[in-house]
Amino acid sequence: NAGVTQTPKFQVLKTGQSMTLQCAQDMNHNSMYWYRQDPGMGLRLIYYSASEGTTDKGEVPNGYNVSRLNKREFSLRLESAAPSQTSVYFCASRPSGEAYEQYFGPGTRLTVT
Amino acid sequence: KNEVEQSPQNLTAQEGEFITINCSYSVGISALHWLQQHPGGGIVSLFMLSSGKKKHGRLIATINIQEKHSSLHITASHPRDSAVYICAVRSLSYSGGGADGLTFGKGTHLIIQP
Repeated sequence: NAGVTQTPKFQVLKTGQSMTLQCAQDMNHNSMYWYRQDPGMGLRLIYYSASEGTTDKGEVPNGYNVSRLNKREFSLRLESAAPSQTSVYFCASRPSGEAYEQYFGPGTRLTVT
Repeated sequence: KNEVEQSPQNLTAQEGEFITINCSYSVGISALHWLQQHPGGGIVSLFMLSSGKKKHGRLIATINIQEKHSSLHITASHPRDSAVYICAVRSLSYSGGGADGLTFGKGTHLIIQP
């Protein structure tokens, strides 16, 4: 099993450009998450999906959209990138229910100039 | 809003030392997680606990629900333990953290010198 995979690993965008970060998991997990990690701050939730076909906003959703394409894939889209979106983005997944830990992808380092 | 505070922010120790990292939180929780993030960036879950103590190899995690406090201990520390250790909690009432109500601390940066 590959676990949680993310593409790309690195990306540089100019202000105003758009891009989609891809995430896939092969563990048959229902719940999937997108976080951003910034220096000096804890991980912050952008969007999550409790199951295929559902998505909800987290703590910092502005400037982002998501798609839960199927049970395996959960993508994050930046429609018009801004320098404030320079960050490391992590995707995570876990089974339903409270007793389970989250599994994280390797991260995407995004720089917006 | 649930706040998660970790201490110390940075810790440098010599190989073999006993390490303690602390985590305090402000509201009632259903679970607490300890995560490890290596210099390469990947994040791995170490423990999830809601009471008592868990042990895995040289790592021990404890939680005191009444005092809203958890500790992560590393015995016989080794340079390969150098990483950022992150505490996260799932609140009993989900506010500001999404479906899981997970709120993350800022992490403790641990360096173990040979």
